[in-house]
Amino acid sequence: LAKTTQPISMDSYEGQEVNITCSHNNIATNDYITWYQQFPSQGPRFIIQGYKTKVTNEVASLFIPADRKSSTLSLPRVSLSDTAVYYCLVGDIRDDKIIFGKGTRLHILP
Amino acid sequence: EAQVTQNPRYLITVTGKKLTVTCSQNMNHEYMSWYRQDPGLGLRQIYYSMNVEVTDKGDVPEGYKVSRKEKRNFPLILESPSPNQTSLYFCASRLNPTDTQYFGPGTRLTVL
Repeated sequence: LAKTTQPISMDSYEGQEVNITCSHNNIATNDYITWYQQFPSQGPRFIIQGYKTKVTNEVASLFIPADRKSSTLSLPRVSLSDTAVYYCLVGDIRDDKIIFGKGTRLHILP
Repeated sequence: EAQVTQNPRYLITVTGKKLTVTCSQNMNHEYMSWYRQDPGLGLRQIYYSMNVEVTDKGDVPEGYKVSRKEKRNFPLILESPSPNQTSLYFCASRLNPTDTQYFGPGTRLTVL
């Protein structure tokens, strides 16, 4: 299973674009990349998922280079409520064994 | 409303006293998982199930058991809890491996 490496923490300001990069050097062919957001004392919440190139939804974009050894979650125009821990996951679509990393603690300042 | 429910939400118990944390989902999901979350360690998968009567170990299965007799329920059993199992536990479900995982609200367990 591919393990992931993310920055432990990041700070940014309201209205800025935030990019969080995740490294997954051992990603396998069948692995998808998924990002979750977690607020204190709540379960993680799905943000976005992708396999290659770029994926965009109403809350974020996910950029995956051709070699798929890393990915970048992009949050446009963050607000204070985006302060949370963000997890990058790399999962095999053939089964449900999943490894969460330690996540990135994002702190948005006014 | 589509959701994953866990009970109890909070539990304080003593070493060795068997307990069960229930997990139920109303979305007809095939896949269910249990995680524990500890400070500095993120979420770690304990067990997962790909369908009724199909379960498998995650990263940290020691000291836990699970069962999947019905699609909607996936209880987590601690036969003889120990203090190192004090943690925040999350149950999750999803329809298939590429689908979003839906997490329950969490169960905070303290073993004295």
